[in-house]
Amino acid sequence: GENVEQHPSTLSVQEGDSAVIKCTYSDSASNYFPWYKQELGKRPQLIIDIRSNVGEKKDQRIAVTLNKTAKHFSLHITETQPEDSAVYFCAARGETSYDKVIFGPGTSLSVIP
Amino acid sequence: AAGVIQSPRHLIKEKRETATLKCYPIPRHDTVYWYQQGPGQDPQFLISFYEKMQSDKGSIPDRFSAQQFSDYHSELNMSSLELGDSALYFCASSFSLGTRAYEQYFGPGTRLTVT
Repeated sequence: GENVEQHPSTLSVQEGDSAVIKCTYSDSASNYFPWYKQELGKRPQLIIDIRSNVGEKKDQRIAVTLNKTAKHFSLHITETQPEDSAVYFCAARGETSYDKVIFGPGTSLSVIP
Repeated sequence: AAGVIQSPRHLIKEKRETATLKCYPIPRHDTVYWYQQGPGQDPQFLISFYEKMQSDKGSIPDRFSAQQFSDYHSELNMSSLELGDSALYFCASSFSLGTRAYEQYFGPGTRLTVT
């Protein structure tokens, strides 16, 4: 079945620096890759997503890149702020809308003021 | 904008009891997913429903069952509860159009504690 790996598991950066989280997936049929941010005790919130026909997508300080050949995708956060501190999950999903989302194990990001 | 609604938000049960969790998807969303998240873990997919039919099944124990009703809300029934069932249970919903995969939006979760 589908497996999603994510690195690093924890990441500490100084405020204003960039943070990069990397994921790999196993199922070549996956073509939708959402990223979720989850604060302690709260719901996962979709922050950005990318589909397999796009190599890169950017939304203000957040960008995601996808290398479908290598089955890699990454999240880049620039100019980090303390409120970016949270657990970030990458995920992968198949084509149809009722395909389950498989989550990576998560990255705990701490932004130090 | 309307979001996914889950009830109850908190639930305390004893071992071997039964629990029912409810999920009301975003209006016009036709697909519902259930996830279980233990402390420090990623959400684990349990089961999903598309147009009231089970569409996929993950690591859902046989003690659990779920269904989606005609108004698209869904219920997760959990019987013979065990201490290990204590977790956050999230429901998510999405909209489908042909084979296009749309975004999943998560509800606030139900925190189940089994004592």
